[in-house]
Amino acid sequence: QVQLVQSGAEVKKPGSSVKVSCKASGGTFSNFDINWVRQAPGQGLEWMGRIIPIPGLTNYAQKFQGRVAITADKSTNTAYMEVTSLRSEDTAFYYCARASSNGWYPFDYWGQGTLVTVSS
Amino acid sequence: DIQMTQSPSTVSASVGDRVTITCRASQSISPWLAWYQQKPGKAPKLLIYKTSTLESGVPSRFSGSGSGTDFTLTISSLQPDDFATYYCQHYTSSVYTFGQGTKLEIK
Repeated sequence: QVQLVQSGAEVKKPGSSVKVSCKASGGTFSNFDINWVRQAPGQGLEWMGRIIPIPGLTNYAQKFQGRVAITADKSTNTAYMEVTSLRSEDTAFYYCARASSNGWYPFDYWGQGTLVTVSS
Repeated sequence: DIQMTQSPSTVSASVGDRVTITCRASQSISPWLAWYQQKPGKAPKLLIYKTSTLESGVPSRFSGSGSGTDFTLTISSLQPDDFATYYCQHYTSSVYTFGQGTKLEIK
């Protein structure tokens, strides 16, 4: 059974960084992209970026370019998403979601979400 | 960049009603359109992809249609479990764009 399990909730100060993990099980890690989606409280879904674990290729939504870094550790089937220079507007749930790397596919499995709260 | 616009933002309906939600793209995207359902405190769930293909395990009362820039999600007979927020998504191999969401409320 496919599962994406994310790390726990975080509380961060403005200006700091946060790194959220997403561990995949039940599928072949190298066959799927891992995407990250943000959802501010009471708001809609916003795609941030993705990684193809092999060869580690990434691309980002323009809004997040330069402030977000997505990485993957193939040895542990885990993807990571780091946001730097946090501000209050980054308070949100962050979800990882997979999509097949073999063509154009939507997100068929999602992590449970990680709440990141940015507050002084 | 392609923009996705859903309407209405909120719809009120009763159990047994037929409901249609619309998603419009700023340019032609056929057939690369998916629909998700999200309940409070939960991750979204894929319902339909490639405009009209039902994801495994999704009830047949859900259906999708459309082409070009205009797409619809239809729920033929609302069940209590269907009250949620629905999102459309345009997807490619490297860029993904969501609509702003439609909240389906109990009338």
